[in-house]
Amino acid sequence: DQQVKQNSPSLSVQEGRISILNCDYTNSMFDYFLWYKKYPAEGPTFLISISSIKDKNEDGRFTVFLNKSAKHLSLHIVPSQPGDSAVYFCAASERGFQKLVFGTGTRLLVSP
Amino acid sequence: GAGVSQTPSNKVTEKGKYVELRCDPISGHTALYWYRQSLGQGPEFLIYFQGTGAADDSGLPNDRFFAVRPEGSVSTLKIQRTERGDSAVYLCASSPRQGANTEAFFGQGTRLTVV
Repeated sequence: DQQVKQNSPSLSVQEGRISILNCDYTNSMFDYFLWYKKYPAEGPTFLISISSIKDKNEDGRFTVFLNKSAKHLSLHIVPSQPGDSAVYFCAASERGFQKLVFGTGTRLLVSP
Repeated sequence: GAGVSQTPSNKVTEKGKYVELRCDPISGHTALYWYRQSLGQGPEFLIYFQGTGAADDSGLPNDRFFAVRPEGSVSTLKIQRTERGDSAVYLCASSPRQGANTEAFFGQGTRLTVV
């Protein structure tokens, strides 16, 4: 039972354009959501998070949107840069629980 | 150290052998997590330590897996009677605060291959 789903295994975008990565979840008890970026042979690196009491959180070029009614969140990267090419994981946790539940990841390729 | 350190970075072992994977968290971080990432999947939770105690071990797949953190810092994940299905990247993470909803900092992982 996949509680966090990233249905697009890959995404290709041109440099300077917007990248939109999507994530859906099924567990209504999730109240905190995170995005991690992963380069080959490295561990995931925290990128940005959002609490369920918000619908948007912005940090520089990265913005995460949360639609609780749709159980959907998205990560927007604008403008995209070649260095953003990596695998992006969506993750979620329940109130009071420490463990993160990850999606299967989306591989982003930003071409010059 | 500057980040979470995991050793070894790669481990090849024969089916049925015992292995130990080590994690050195960021200094001062009280929470420590183990995750396992199989090919094409996201990381899957194994166990969470708060201090020396395992606060949540619900992700350990069976009793061949065990983890310790005796002094509240370094942790060791132990796998007995390894099977080929145990092959994966084992990730360790730590976080600085006790409260939920804090981002975790990951190490580079140990790639375990059981042949």
